[in-house]
Amino acid sequence: DAKTTQPNSMESNEEEPVHLPCNHSTISGTDYIHWYRQLPSQGPEYVIHGLTSNVNNRMASLAIAEDRKSSTLILHRATLRDAAVYYCILRDSDGNKLVFGAGTILRVKS
Amino acid sequence: DAGITQSPRHKVTETGTPVTLRCHQTENHRYMYWYRQDPGHGLRLIHYSYGVKDTDKGEVSDGYSVSRSKTEDFLLTLESATSSQTSVYFCAIRQALQETQYFGPGTRLLVL
Repeated sequence: DAKTTQPNSMESNEEEPVHLPCNHSTISGTDYIHWYRQLPSQGPEYVIHGLTSNVNNRMASLAIAEDRKSSTLILHRATLRDAAVYYCILRDSDGNKLVFGAGTILRVKS
Repeated sequence: DAGITQSPRHKVTETGTPVTLRCHQTENHRYMYWYRQDPGHGLRLIHYSYGVKDTDKGEVSDGYSVSRSKTEDFLLTLESATSSQTSVYFCAIRQALQETQYFGPGTRLLVL
């Protein structure tokens, strides 16, 4: 399974944009890039996913490098409720499984 | 809310005791998954199902078995619980041809 590398933790101020990086240098051409987040004491929650093009939804934006070896999750205006662990995941080649890493702990300061 | 529930939500048991956790969905999704999460780790896949009576192993399947006799229920069984199986267990579901997995609220299991 292709692996991802994320910073252990990041800090942001409320109302400011947050850029969460992810490196995935061994990504294959058919791997989708997924982002999930996990709020304290809850199950993971889907955020966004993409293959090659940048993606936007109501929660966030996903910027994918042209060579696909890295991506960035963008929260446009962080709120205290965005404090969570953010996981960057590559969907495995058979399409059935997500392989989670340790993720990035995002702290948001008021 | 993806219509997924887990039971029990909390359980304390003793080493050597059999334990069964239940995941129930109301969405008729084809795929169901069991993960465990330990402190400082992301989720690790135990087993998953791609249809009724169709299951496969994940990366940490030793000591666990699963069954899926109907679409809506996916059972995880610890035949003889050990302290190393103390963890939080999450169930997830996914619709065929869709990317997104929806997770349940989790079950906290403590094996003494």
